[in-house]
Amino acid sequence: AQKITQTQPGMFVQEKEAVTLDCTYDTSDQSYGLFWYKQPSSGEMIFLIYQGSYDEQNATEGRYSLNFQKARKSANLVISASQLGDSAMYFCAMREGLLDSGTYKYIFGTGTRLKVLA
Amino acid sequence: NAGVMQNPRHLVRRRGQEARLRCSPMKGHSHVYWYRQLPEEGLKFMVYLQKENIIDESGMPKERFSAEFPKEGPSILRIQQVVRGDSAAYFCASSLGHKETQYFGPGTRLLVL
Repeated sequence: AQKITQTQPGMFVQEKEAVTLDCTYDTSDQSYGLFWYKQPSSGEMIFLIYQGSYDEQNATEGRYSLNFQKARKSANLVISASQLGDSAMYFCAMREGLLDSGTYKYIFGTGTRLKVLA
Repeated sequence: NAGVMQNPRHLVRRRGQEARLRCSPMKGHSHVYWYRQLPEEGLKFMVYLQKENIIDESGMPKERFSAEFPKEGPSILRIQQVVRGDSAAYFCASSLGHKETQYFGPGTRLLVL
């Protein structure tokens, strides 16, 4: 079963509009973290935003906000006032709690390709 | 403050050769992670290392792949006798502690001919 599900393989948004990228997750851990990364065409992975499972407030970083709905197990990324430079692949990732090895694992979704239209 | 460095950025190998990928973590970070990204897919965890120790290698193929993070110098991901299926982007990430956010390098794109 998929641990991280991104159901939108591709999205279009008009410049200056807001867009929501969906992410649902599956875990039985009480303590976990949720991340969004951006991968532009150049290929690097850029950290955008983090939400801890115990955080009561939704995380925000500039134009990025994370709509965290714990009961629904969703962690959607909202990008406000889209810019042409936002065109990229976006990955949702989850860090699960301590495993037997005493470490954490990051699990990535399959990504959503966002295209911002002028 | 330099980010995570990876080299080479692109690597071409013929089947049967060895590939060595290097990763220098961010200054002050002692936790290193390697991931593999196949075309049009997300990242898949391979291995997690601290200085001189492999903490979790549950994502590493059992054969031909190895990783190290020596006391001095970069972390190395080594792939012996490469096959075409090894062609992928290999990303390294580092963190301050294992609970902290991972920051990624630019990746090494390996092409096996």
